[in-house]
Amino acid sequence: AQSVTQLDSQVPVFEEAPVELRCNYSSSVSVYLFWYVQYPNQGLQLLLKYLSGSTLVKGINGFEAEFNKSQTSFHLRKPSVHISDTAEYFCAVSDRDYGQNFVFGPGTRLSVLP
Amino acid sequence: NAGVTQTPKFQVLKTGQSMTLQCAQDMNHNSMYWYRQDPGMGLRLIYYSASEGTTDKGEVPNGYNVSRLNKREFSLRLESAAPSQTSVYFCASNLAGLANYNEQFFGPGTRLTVL
Repeated sequence: AQSVTQLDSQVPVFEEAPVELRCNYSSSVSVYLFWYVQYPNQGLQLLLKYLSGSTLVKGINGFEAEFNKSQTSFHLRKPSVHISDTAEYFCAVSDRDYGQNFVFGPGTRLSVLP
Repeated sequence: NAGVTQTPKFQVLKTGQSMTLQCAQDMNHNSMYWYRQDPGMGLRLIYYSASEGTTDKGEVPNGYNVSRLNKREFSLRLESAAPSQTSVYFCASNLAGLANYNEQFFGPGTRLTVL
């Protein structure tokens, strides 16, 4: 079974500063990896996903993430954040081989300060 | 294209009451899911339906039942609500079947309070 760890429950950052949200996973099989964003009082939206190929994945709103198989990590980055990026971010993993095994991390609340 | 819709948006129940949360998707997706979201715990899977006519338990199924009414609709029922079921409930769907590379699409959520 997979598990997902998001090491930071809250990340405050000033507007226009860079940010990295950390995600580590554990799994005995190969996985697909996802980052979702949840704006206040809304459902989750997909930011980006890693399926295969290049380990650097670009998503919407200027976000990107890098898959590191040896460190079992999939950290999310943005070089310059905006106030509108304030939201909760969830890392998720699914099993490549079988079954409905989407597992979400506990989430990281990003607060962008003026 | 409405995507995934959920009703109601808000609900307050007394302990022991029952209710059904409705979910529908118009994307012709095969799989549908019910999650609950609690502070600091991310999303936890309650039940899922890999395809029309099938349902399976997720991580936290106790106290819930589901019905996959047809390909579009997947309902979640609380037979006897308990305060521990106070949460935000999300329905999601994806094309996948058993292929997990397809991302899930989420509804706007139902905020349930059980007194």
